[in-house]
Amino acid sequence: AQSVTQLGSHVSVSEGALVLLRCNYSSSVPPYLFWYVQYPNQGLQLLLKYTTGATLVKGINGFEAEFKKSETSFHLTKPSAHMSDAAEYFCAVSGVNTGFQKLVFGTGTRLLVSP
Amino acid sequence: DAGITQSPRHKVTETGTPVTLRCHQTENHRYMYWYRQDPGHGLRLIHYSYGVKDTDKGEVSDGYSVSRSKTEDFLLTLESATSSQTSVYFCAISEGVQDTGGYTFGSGTRLTVV
Repeated sequence: AQSVTQLGSHVSVSEGALVLLRCNYSSSVPPYLFWYVQYPNQGLQLLLKYTTGATLVKGINGFEAEFKKSETSFHLTKPSAHMSDAAEYFCAVSGVNTGFQKLVFGTGTRLLVSP
Repeated sequence: DAGITQSPRHKVTETGTPVTLRCHQTENHRYMYWYRQDPGHGLRLIHYSYGVKDTDKGEVSDGYSVSRSKTEDFLLTLESATSSQTSVYFCAISEGVQDTGGYTFGSGTRLTVV
């Protein structure tokens, strides 16, 4: 079964600094991978996704992630943090043994951005 | 999110009472899902539906049932609410993860069982 591990329940950065949120997955075959963002008292919003093709994917709000099969990783980055990036971020995976229709989520990483 | 609404947004109920949460979509998507969100656990799948009257269990389905009699509505019922079911419940819809690459989420229902 697929699973994802997000390292660090909280990550703190200063405004303008690099954002790096880590996600590692386990899957016997190349999965589909997703990053979602959740602002307070809201649902989750898709940031970006990897299904097939180019391994570096760009999403909304300047975020990007790179699928690295050899490292089983899909880390989320943004070159320069903004105060509005403060939110909780979830990595998710779907795979062939669920027909790709069910997403399994990580436990989330809360990003704190200080002035 | 536009196209998917959950009701109620907040509910407080007593232990042992049945509770039904509603998810309504206007997107005519095939797949619908119920997740619960708890600190330290992320989102965990309760049940999902792949068509009218077609449902299946997720990883935390005990104590929950679902029904989908119309494409647009997916109901989640707590048979006899317990304090461990205090959580935020999210509905999601998808036309097919392979095709569209993900879910669209509702705004959530915060349920407190006292």
